[in-house]
Amino acid sequence: GAVVSQHPSWVICKSGTSVKIECRSLDFQATTMFWYRQFPKQSLMLMATSNEGSKATYEQGVEKDKFLINHASLTLSTLTVTSAHPEDSSFYICSARVSAGLSGTQYFGPGTRLLVL
Amino acid sequence: AQRVTQPEKLLSVFKGAPVELKCNYSYSGSPELFWYVQYSRQRLQLLLRHISRESIKGFTADLNKGETSFHLKKPFAQEEDSAMYYCALNAGNMLTFGGGTRLMVKP
Repeated sequence: GAVVSQHPSWVICKSGTSVKIECRSLDFQATTMFWYRQFPKQSLMLMATSNEGSKATYEQGVEKDKFLINHASLTLSTLTVTSAHPEDSSFYICSARVSAGLSGTQYFGPGTRLLVL
Repeated sequence: AQRVTQPEKLLSVFKGAPVELKCNYSYSGSPELFWYVQYSRQRLQLLLRHISRESIKGFTADLNKGETSFHLKKPFAQEEDSAMYYCALNAGNMLTFGGGTRLMVKP
């Protein structure tokens, strides 16, 4: 089946640091990848949609200058949390879609837990 | 705008009992619905999607457009079914998730 990996799986950083999270589709090409945020005991909230070779589309309320997304290839998207603050601490999950249209099943990465001190 | 509602945050049943996890949606277009499952300390996994009309691990879900529902059912719950279950709606270019239901199957 389609496998999506994320790196790192866990990161602790000081306030003010920028943190980069990678999302890779290991055995398929993904023209579209998605970044979600999940708070404890809550559902996934879509942050942005990342299309290869073009600018990401951010959901309302998500600061694009705060959460920089780059989708430079068909197998890699990165999310950079710039100047992280404690309120950015969360579980970040990416997903990749195998194909567009009505059969657009998304496959999820294992998530990255970010803790900002 | 699309919306997915899972009215139960927690559902607790005994092993062997029937299970129904409720999901209701609102969407003006033609819906494509999924159930995802997240076992403890594991990633979110696709359980089933309505267009496939499949049964996975004994679970089935039928899309009822009249009631705008996509409830997940299993006739006999097993302990290994304990997990978080998310109903999701694919609308255009994005998945919208429900709030999730934690299923606990007691021995």
